[in-house]
Amino acid sequence: NAGVTQTPKFQVLKTGQSMTLQCAQDMNHEYMSWYRQDPGMGLRLIHYSVGAGITDQGEVPNGYNVSRSTTEDFPLRLLSAAPSQTSVYFCASSSYRGGEAFFGQGTRLTVV
Amino acid sequence: AQKITQTQPGMFVQEKEAVTLDCTYDTSDPSYGLFWYKQPSSGEMIFLIYQGSYDQQNATEGRYSLNFQKARKSANLVISASQLGDSAMYFCAMRSYSGAGSYQLTFGKGTKLSVIP
Repeated sequence: NAGVTQTPKFQVLKTGQSMTLQCAQDMNHEYMSWYRQDPGMGLRLIHYSVGAGITDQGEVPNGYNVSRSTTEDFPLRLLSAAPSQTSVYFCASSSYRGGEAFFGQGTRLTVV
Repeated sequence: AQKITQTQPGMFVQEKEAVTLDCTYDTSDPSYGLFWYKQPSSGEMIFLIYQGSYDQQNATEGRYSLNFQKARKSANLVISASQLGDSAMYFCAMRSYSGAGSYQLTFGKGTKLSVIP
C-alpha cells in the first residue's frame, strides 16, 4: 500500500539551480496537487491537475512548472530556485468522486 | 474564490476536556466538501473527518465530530476527551467544485492545539 510517494524528503539547492520534486500515486486518483507549507501560512496550492494532460494554477504558481503525462505521476519543477522557495512541499491526490485527499510525506527544501 | 478561515492560531485544552476548533469558509459553489487534517510534529498530514455540503447529519469519527452549520458557513471540529497525543496542528480544508470537471482543495492557516496534562 504505497499511497502517495514523494521524493526526495530533504533537498538543499543553491540559488539559480533547477530541480524536480517527484510525486507518484498508485490509487488511480484523477486529482493531484502540490502545496507549499510555510510557518503561519497553512498549505497554499501551487498547481493542480484533474487528470492526465490537464493542469491548472493554484494560489502561488510563480516559479514552478508541472505536467501530468500519466495518471500516476505529477512532478513539480523549480525552474530557477530562489531563497523564497525554501519551504516544505506536499503532494496530494484524491478521487474526483470524493473522499479524503492522501498526502505524501513532504519534501523539506532549502534554497541557499 | 474559495477561502477557509481559522481564527485561532493556538489553543490550549486540559487533558480529558473537550475542545472546539473553529473554521469558516466561503464559496459560491453549490457542491463542496469540508475536511479536517491533523499534522503532528513529525510533519505528516493525517485525515480526521469529512463533511459533504449535502450531508444532512454532522459527521462523526470516534472522538472527532464536525459541527456543520451551512447557513453560517462554519465547520468546527470538536475533539472530545482530549489526549496528550492530540497536541498538533489542525487544518480545515474545503474541496469545491468549479464546474467543467475542475475542483480545488483549499486549506486554512491552521490551529496549533496543545493539550495540558
